[in-house]
Amino acid sequence: ETGVTQTPRHLVMGMTNKKSLKCEQHLGHNAMYWYKQSAKKPLELMFVYSLEERVENNSVPSRFSPECPNSSHLFLHLHTLQPEDSALYLCASSHDPGGNEKLFFGSGTQLSVL
Amino acid sequence: TQLLEQSPQFLSIQEGENLTVYCNSSSVFSSLQWYRQEPGEGPVLLVTVVTGGEVKKLKRLTFQFGDARKDSSLHITAAQPGDTGLYLCAGVYNFNKFYFGSGTKLNVKP
Repeated sequence: ETGVTQTPRHLVMGMTNKKSLKCEQHLGHNAMYWYKQSAKKPLELMFVYSLEERVENNSVPSRFSPECPNSSHLFLHLHTLQPEDSALYLCASSHDPGGNEKLFFGSGTQLSVL
Repeated sequence: TQLLEQSPQFLSIQEGENLTVYCNSSSVFSSLQWYRQEPGEGPVLLVTVVTGGEVKKLKRLTFQFGDARKDSSLHITAAQPGDTGLYLCAGVYNFNKFYFGSGTKLNVKP
């Protein structure tokens, strides 16, 4: 148990569906991250929120829309996805700012787009 | 994007053998981290190295940071089946940007 909870664990959706991934952290951290993990590729940083403000957006397609309503919750809203978006989506949190930070990851949502 | 290359990509060894995994980059990082990921779970931090030339030991695992802070290695002595997993290195840039390598998938057979 890392203190970061992601739901759902598994998601299958069609290309026309709209769904949301949820992440909650109970660690009192003030930075939260979305990463995409595909087979044989490095973890790709998608979004970073620090103190509820988006500070990083790594050229992610607009069909992925993040939301951070408070420092404990992070959402990733999905719409009109493509099959190549199938991957493990990992949420992480860290303390921020400054110093030797480390990431605490959730167990991920395994997404399949049909 | 900071590119980190890990080698080897896959490693399958017998219990009791030693192994070394490498993480290389052309970029300088403020620190470098190693994570281990098991199937169905997120990565878990093993160690952070900060100073060039630093060596850290965690039981049978030895981590080294290169003098120029661009590369790192992970050495496992007398590997156990419980060491099986995906080992990821991450370069930390500007204290809150973490860039990961593609990982080394280790399988230790009993």
